[in-house]
Amino acid sequence: SQQGEEDPQALSIQEGENATMNCSYKTSINNLQWYRQNSGRGLVHLILIRSNEREKHGGRLRVTLDTSKKSSSLLITASRAADTASYFCATDAQGGSQGNLIFGKGTKLSVKP
Amino acid sequence: EPEVTQTPSHQVTQMGQEVILRCVPISNHLYFYWYRQILGQKVEFLVSFYNNEISEKSEIFDDQFSVERPDGSNFTLKIRSTKLEDSAMYFCASSEGAGRIYEQYFGPGTRLTVT
Repeated sequence: SQQGEEDPQALSIQEGENATMNCSYKTSINNLQWYRQNSGRGLVHLILIRSNEREKHGGRLRVTLDTSKKSSSLLITASRAADTASYFCATDAQGGSQGNLIFGKGTKLSVKP
Repeated sequence: EPEVTQTPSHQVTQMGQEVILRCVPISNHLYFYWYRQILGQKVEFLVSFYNNEISEKSEIFDDQFSVERPDGSNFTLKIRSTKLEDSAMYFCASSEGAGRIYEQYFGPGTRLTVT
């Protein structure tokens, strides 16, 4: 079955450094979305990249998608302490009906001031 | 900026009781979803809803669960007889169009604790 799996599971960096998180999945997709979740809070949508796109930018975020390797990466540049959160990728199965998302376990990012 | 809202933020109930979790999706959105996240685990899809009927549901969404859009703004998830294992964070989400190319926006969640 399809899964989004992020790595690393946990990442600790200093403020100002870049953070890179990866996601792999198993089956063809229509799109891949990245979300952020602060501890015990809701999911904040960050960015959606479609299967025919290779790269997408949004502010300090850069997402890449390699459908041949079934993987995606999320880069946060010039990280801030406020970026501390868990980051999830979610995939939407190609051929699926109404877009139910399948989430990975997430990467827990800690940005130290 | 429009957002999905959910009430209550925290619900404590006794095993066997019925609970109703409420959501107000973004006003021009047509597709609605419920997900849940057991503490420390992945976010899991429960059900999607469009045009006043269930579009898709997961294995988790058994006969104990039901969804309803009682009016033009609310979207509810009912659990008829709660079990301990229903304790989780429940997220409502909505999207403007069919989920394949549209972002899903999530609410802040309702933390359900079954004792």
